[in-house]
Amino acid sequence: GDSVTQMEGPVTLSEEACLTINCTYTATGYPSLFWYVQYPGEGLQLLLKATKADDKGSNKGFEATYRKETTSFHLEKGSVQVSDSAVYFCALTGAGSYQLTFGKGTKLSVIP
Amino acid sequence: EAGVTQSPTHLIKTRGQQATLRCSPISGHTSVYWYQQALGLGLQFLLWYDEGEERNRGNFPPRFSGRQFPNYSSELNVNALELEDSALYLCASSFLAIRNEQFFGPGTRLTVL
Repeated sequence: GDSVTQMEGPVTLSEEACLTINCTYTATGYPSLFWYVQYPGEGLQLLLKATKADDKGSNKGFEATYRKETTSFHLEKGSVQVSDSAVYFCALTGAGSYQLTFGKGTKLSVIP
Repeated sequence: EAGVTQSPTHLIKTRGQQATLRCSPISGHTSVYWYQQALGLGLQFLLWYDEGEERNRGNFPPRFSGRQFPNYSSELNVNALELEDSALYLCASSFLAIRNEQFFGPGTRLTVL
């Protein structure tokens, strides 16, 4: 079945540091890929998405590129802020299905 | 535009009881999904409803059930509660033409004592 593997962290960075959270997936066909963010005490928010190979999703300074050849969708940000502290989930919807399959989440803490 | 709403925010039950969780999707969305976020287990897909019918379910026992009403709101019922059912239950909705983009509610925290 479909699966998502992401670095589990926790990750602690200083403000303005660079962020990379690795995500790889296993799925048949061409899944759609997502990054969701969960701030403390809240539900999930869609951060960005990509629906086909080589697509780049971007939002709020975060970026991720759909790499079919390496089955990866790594999340990057050039300069993190304290307000980026949250749990980040990589997810996919497989070909022919609509439910999301999630990675286990990566907790990011950004310190001033 | 109002987002996905869920009620109650918190629910405390004892083993063997039944729990009912409710979800109202974004206006115009016809699909509702339920996910369980249990400590140590991550986010797992529970159920998907679309146009009033159950379209798919995850690897959960039959005591997890639900329904979708004509106004597209949804209910999740958990019967014969067990301690390990304690979790955050998240509801998401999506629009027919863009099923892949799901919008989540704030969740219901279920605690089973």
